[in-house]
Amino acid sequence: AQKVTQAQTEISVVEKEDVTLDCVYETRDTTYYLFWYKQPPSGELVFLIRRNSFDEQNEISGRYSWNFQKSTSSFNFTITASQVVDSAVYFCALSEGPGAGSYQLTFGKGTKLSVIP
Amino acid sequence: DVKVTQSSRYLVKRTGEKVFLECVQDMDHENMFWYRQDPGLGLRLIYFSYDVKMKEKGDIPEGYSVSREKKERFSLILESASTNQTSMYLCASSSFSTGSTYQPQHFGDGTRLSIL
Repeated sequence: AQKVTQAQTEISVVEKEDVTLDCVYETRDTTYYLFWYKQPPSGELVFLIRRNSFDEQNEISGRYSWNFQKSTSSFNFTITASQVVDSAVYFCALSEGPGAGSYQLTFGKGTKLSVIP
Repeated sequence: DVKVTQSSRYLVKRTGEKVFLECVQDMDHENMFWYRQDPGLGLRLIYFSYDVKMKEKGDIPEGYSVSREKKERFSLILESASTNQTSMYLCASSSFSTGSTYQPQHFGDGTRLSIL
């Protein structure tokens, strides 16, 4: 069975600080996919990034960066120079992918990030 | 942009009522999903569908059913609503995926359902 753990329930940072959101996953599959979603107060989940298990290259998109490490089963998300608009709940999710015949996503319980002006 | 539309943002119903939550997507996606989101529990999958008239149980299907008569529409049905079904309900859709092109799910705004 697959599992996603986001150990940080809530984090508060002051604007312009860097912050890292942790995600640890468990799966028996060798092929899987990892995702991060953002849920602002308005409620809609916004897709941020997808990583394939066979591609460990880290990724940077503006102030966002992701560090994928298979050796530690982690897929951490860093926001550099945080802004108030980054305040949201962030979810990490895992899927075993279509090759396993499953389209299901397993979500972590989320980390609520509050950026204080 | 993908648009997933849920019929209501807020809904209040009484115990024992039959409740319908509607979801429509405009991107011709094959897959559609219903989740519920509760504080401290994250998102949990109720049902999903990978084709018209097809449905698969998720992690918590008890007390729910679904209907997918048309590709763009996926309905969640609470046969006899109970107070423990008070929750935020999120619909999502995604296109068919192969290999490295696994497609992410796109979500609606959610329906906050209260059962009194």
